[in-house]
Amino acid sequence: TQLLEQSPQFLSIQEGENLTVYCNSSSVFSSLQWYRQEPGEGPVLLVTVVTGGEVKKLKRLTFQFGDARKDSSLHITAAQPGDTGLYLCAVRTGGFKTIFGAGTRLFVKA
Amino acid sequence: NAGVTQTPKFRVLKTGQSMTLLCAQDMNHEYMYWYRQDPGMGLRLIHYSVGEGTTAKGEVPDGYNVSRLKKQNFLLGLESAAPSQTSVYFCASSPGQSTGELFFGEGSRLTVL
Repeated sequence: TQLLEQSPQFLSIQEGENLTVYCNSSSVFSSLQWYRQEPGEGPVLLVTVVTGGEVKKLKRLTFQFGDARKDSSLHITAAQPGDTGLYLCAVRTGGFKTIFGAGTRLFVKA
Repeated sequence: NAGVTQTPKFRVLKTGQSMTLLCAQDMNHEYMYWYRQDPGMGLRLIHYSVGEGTTAKGEVPDGYNVSRLKKQNFLLGLESAAPSQTSVYFCASSPGQSTGELFFGEGSRLTVL
C-alpha cells in the first residue's frame, strides 16, 4: 500500500481541455509538494502547499491542499502540449524522508 | 551551474557484478537521497543522508549500500547486481528545511543482464 495514491495513473487529452489530478492519503501531512518530470530528466518542483485549504496558482496550474491536509489536487486550465509529463506529489515524513506517489502521466495532444 | 551531477549516465552489468553510482552536488545541501524509478512505481527511496557521515534506510534499501564521506558526495553501491535492480536511479539533494525542495540529477540508467 502506497502512502500517497495518485489518480488517474494516465491521462490523454486534447490541447485546450481542462483536467484535474489527485493525490490522496489517509495520513495527515504538514506540507505537500508537486513535481513535474519530463522524459530523460529528473523531477522539478512546481509548488509546496503547507496550510489546510490553501490554494496556489502558477499560471494555468491551480494547486489545492485539502482542509484536513490529507490530500491535494492539481488543476490545469486549457492544457497545452508543453504540459505533457509525469506529475508527482511528495511529502516529507518523520526522519526527513521525502516520499513520492506513483504519479499521473499526462499527454496533451496538439 | 552544475547543481546535482550523477555518473555514470548509463551502465550495463552482468548478474553478480558490482558497481558504484556517484552523486555530487555543489549547493552545500545537507540532505541527499537516492531513488529508483520503475514504470508505474513512481520514485522509491533507497537510502538517504541528513549530513556528512550519516546514512539511513529508505523504502527499498535491500541490495544497496551508501556512503557520505564528504558533504557534497553521496555514493550508491551495488555489491552483487541482480536483474531486479534494472532501473533508472535518481540522486537528489535538499537544503534541509522541513518543506525543502529536492533538486534532482538527470538520472542513471542501469541494466542488469
